[in-house]
Amino acid sequence: QVQLVQSGAEVKEPGASVKLSCKASGDTFTSHYIHWVRQAPGQGFEWMGRVNPSGDITAYAQKFQGRVTMTRDTSTSTVYMEVNSLTSEDTAMYYCARQGYGYYYWGQGTLVTVSS
Amino acid sequence: DIQMTQSPSSLSASVGDRVTITCRASQGIRDDLGWYQQKPGKAPKRLIYGASYLQSGVPSRFSGSGSGTEFTLTISSLQPEDFATYFCLQNNTYPWTFGQGTKVEIK
Repeated sequence: QVQLVQSGAEVKEPGASVKLSCKASGDTFTSHYIHWVRQAPGQGFEWMGRVNPSGDITAYAQKFQGRVTMTRDTSTSTVYMEVNSLTSEDTAMYYCARQGYGYYYWGQGTLVTVSS
Repeated sequence: DIQMTQSPSSLSASVGDRVTITCRASQGIRDDLGWYQQKPGKAPKRLIYGASYLQSGVPSRFSGSGSGTEFTLTISSLQPEDFATYFCLQNNTYPWTFGQGTKVEIK
């Protein structure tokens, strides 16, 4: 079955960068867009952006333009998201999800904590 | 961006109760809306897609309705395993946007 397995929890200082990964298995990796969303503690979800099946086209929420980069390695079926210039407001659970009438397949989430 | 206004933000209900949750979109999104259930520490689970299509494997006590700007999730007879947070997601226009969630608690 399809699985999206994300990298482990991260603790970063303000101003640092973090690179998260999302490895897909069980299906044709190159057929689907992968999105990243996040959920801050006690808050709702926020769409961050998406990367196309071949990894050469990305779209980001305006809020994250210039600070987030999504890439894709088709050889390892892995999608990456790097977030730069972290602040405490970036403390959240980050999820990757596969596009398909919204999201059916989700990663398990990666907790990113930004703290000095 | 399309704003998704979800109500109520929380509710208390008993096992067997009928529960209704609403999402209103700030502009028309046809039927490009899904409903999700999230339990603490877990990734969300999709219940409904296309506003009214029941996800395979989801109990038939869950149903969705609506089109355009008004959408409803109904749980016809609340079960103990249904106590969770529910939210909607519009996938009509980027950026995709979410309702703020409804926490369903035990009365």
